[in-house]
Amino acid sequence: DGGITQSPKYLFRKEGQNVTLSCEQNLNHDAMYWYRQDPGQGLRLIYYSQIVNDFQKGDIAEGYSVSREKKESFPLTVTSAQKNPTAFYLCASSIDSSNQPQHFGDGTRLSIL
Amino acid sequence: RKEVEQDPGPFNVPEGATVAFNCTYSNSASQSFFWYRQDCRKEPKLLMSVYSSGNEDGRFTAQLNRASQYISLLIRDSKLSDSATYLCVVNSGGGNKLTFGTGTQLKVEL
Repeated sequence: DGGITQSPKYLFRKEGQNVTLSCEQNLNHDAMYWYRQDPGQGLRLIYYSQIVNDFQKGDIAEGYSVSREKKESFPLTVTSAQKNPTAFYLCASSIDSSNQPQHFGDGTRLSIL
Repeated sequence: RKEVEQDPGPFNVPEGATVAFNCTYSNSASQSFFWYRQDCRKEPKLLMSVYSSGNEDGRFTAQLNRASQYISLLIRDSKLSDSATYLCVVNSGGGNKLTFGTGTQLKVEL
């Protein structure tokens, strides 16, 4: 089946630790995105990538890093510099970056131990 | 003013009712508009795109009013399974950057 796969579903981070969230898509989409969702808030854009080997900061990029070495993969690293990392992280993709709807993976819940 | 504003609800309606949600957006240069549905602790799923001429998909009708900068979603003959949070989403930046409203919660009851 074509789709977007995020892993793990649940992740626990210790203080001072970096963790990486995986996002893979087999839809042959050019564009990929990372959002976080906090209770009672809308989704906020962390990073996005319009094409392989290119990415831009979103609205809340501080404390996060990404890479886009392959078209199908867009991993997100939550670094120790992110002081409030507990959230629901959602990866999305779209055919390209021209006003297309985005389709989401089923998310990763990150919590601090 | 928030870029995308929605009434958070909850809207509690009986099964079979017609319910309408409105959403306003602040960026007049916005190019595309969507409604997503999000179930509790799940990912958002695209419900429908919203076109200038209005569009319908079964029991769902979406309207766009560019002059007043609002979008609406009408659900007819509500089902229990329609209970969810409905997110108004606007594309108002380069690179297909979407801005999400905080969502309107719908509860359909027997």
